[in-house]
Amino acid sequence: AQKITQTQPGMFVQEKEAVTLDCTYDTSDPSYGLFWYKQPSSGEMIFLIYQGSYDQQNATEGRYSLNFQKARKSANLVISASQLGDSAMYFCAMREGTGNTGKLIFGQGTTLQVKP
Amino acid sequence: GAGVSQSPSNKVTEKGKDVELRCDPISGHTALYWYRQRLGQGLEFLIYFQGNSAPDKSGLPSDRFSAERTGESVSTLTIQRTQQEDSAVYLCASSLGPSAYEQYFGPGTRLTVT
Repeated sequence: AQKITQTQPGMFVQEKEAVTLDCTYDTSDPSYGLFWYKQPSSGEMIFLIYQGSYDQQNATEGRYSLNFQKARKSANLVISASQLGDSAMYFCAMREGTGNTGKLIFGQGTTLQVKP
Repeated sequence: GAGVSQSPSNKVTEKGKDVELRCDPISGHTALYWYRQRLGQGLEFLIYFQGNSAPDKSGLPSDRFSAERTGESVSTLTIQRTQQEDSAVYLCASSLGPSAYEQYFGPGTRLTVT
């Protein structure tokens, strides 16, 4: 069964430092997509970054990059130069297949706190 | 343009009552999803609509939960005979299609069952 595991319930990082949020996944489908979302205390879900299983390069979006290690089934999010506004809950999610349904399976989340 | 909207933003109901939650997707988005988020937890998939295809109801937790969507517009999630464990934030998302990799989420409806 498909599963997403985020083993870090909470993380602290100093402002301007980089931080890595861990995510491992389990699927038997060779085609899948991996996502990271940010959820601030306001509750909105903000899409950050996407990695397809056949993508050759690691995805990057501004200060966000995804460290995709397919053999290890990990898709860690790296946030560079942390800012106070990065304090939020971060969710890793997976979509299986060629998008027949598009439904996302989410991990339990990691709470990130950026210290000034 | 307008994002995904949901109403009401908050709903408090007594155990045993029925509730109806509404989602207005982004215009032109054919795919619509409902998720549930319990306090401090990740999102759980409930149901998915794509155009006029049969919905994927595989995430609905019980037969007290149902949802409808009219064409490619508004969707309503109905919970009958609410229980305290139904207390959660119910999030709706829409996307251009199932393979579009960004789902746009609404602000959610916070449901409290007393």
